[in-house]
Amino acid sequence: NAGVTQTPKFQVLKTGQSMTLQCAQDMNHEYMSWYRQDPGMGLRLIHYSVGAGITDQGEVPNGYNVSRSTTEDFPLRLLSAAPSQTSVYFCASSYSQREARNEQFFGPGTRLTVL
Amino acid sequence: AQKVTQAQTEISVVEKEDVTLDCVYETRDTTYYLFWYKQPPSGELVFLIRRNSFDEQNEISGRYSWNFQKSTSSFNFTITASQVVDSAVYFCALSGRWSLLGGSYIPTFGRGTSLIVHP
Repeated sequence: NAGVTQTPKFQVLKTGQSMTLQCAQDMNHEYMSWYRQDPGMGLRLIHYSVGAGITDQGEVPNGYNVSRSTTEDFPLRLLSAAPSQTSVYFCASSYSQREARNEQFFGPGTRLTVL
Repeated sequence: AQKVTQAQTEISVVEKEDVTLDCVYETRDTTYYLFWYKQPPSGELVFLIRRNSFDEQNEISGRYSWNFQKSTSSFNFTITASQVVDSAVYFCALSGRWSLLGGSYIPTFGRGTSLIVHP
């Protein structure tokens, strides 16, 4: 199993550009989520999905869109990049969050810089 | 409300010292789970351990041990005889709030403690 994969690893954008961060998992996990990690702020939840076609907002959703058309993929779209979105983005998945006991599996992260 | 507090932002030790990372949590749930994750300098977070609210036995795995105390709402992590490879950011997490969307728990993470082990 490849686990959770993310592309690209690094990205530089100009203000106002749009882009999509890709996330895929091959473990047939029901739950997927996106976090951003900033110095001193820990992990902040952007959006999450409990299955294909079902998504919801997390703590910091503004400026980001998600969709989940398949169990495997959960892309994160930046609509119009802003310098405040400079961060490291992590995708995570778990077998199911209907049970509280399941741990999260994380991807390697995408380091995004917005100029 | 669900909350996880890791008051230690950064800890610096010399190799072979013992070190304890603190984690204090808040929840109104009677059944919940606590987790620790490790984020080494390479960046990818890795799951270390899970503990449920009904099991207050301490857990030991090699140089790592975890102390869960429900009375103080704490789930502390101790590394004995630290090594340079233990240098990482460590996150404590709680199983989180219940979301009506799809009937799911949304995890709550602490802000992490950066551990630096000097040779």
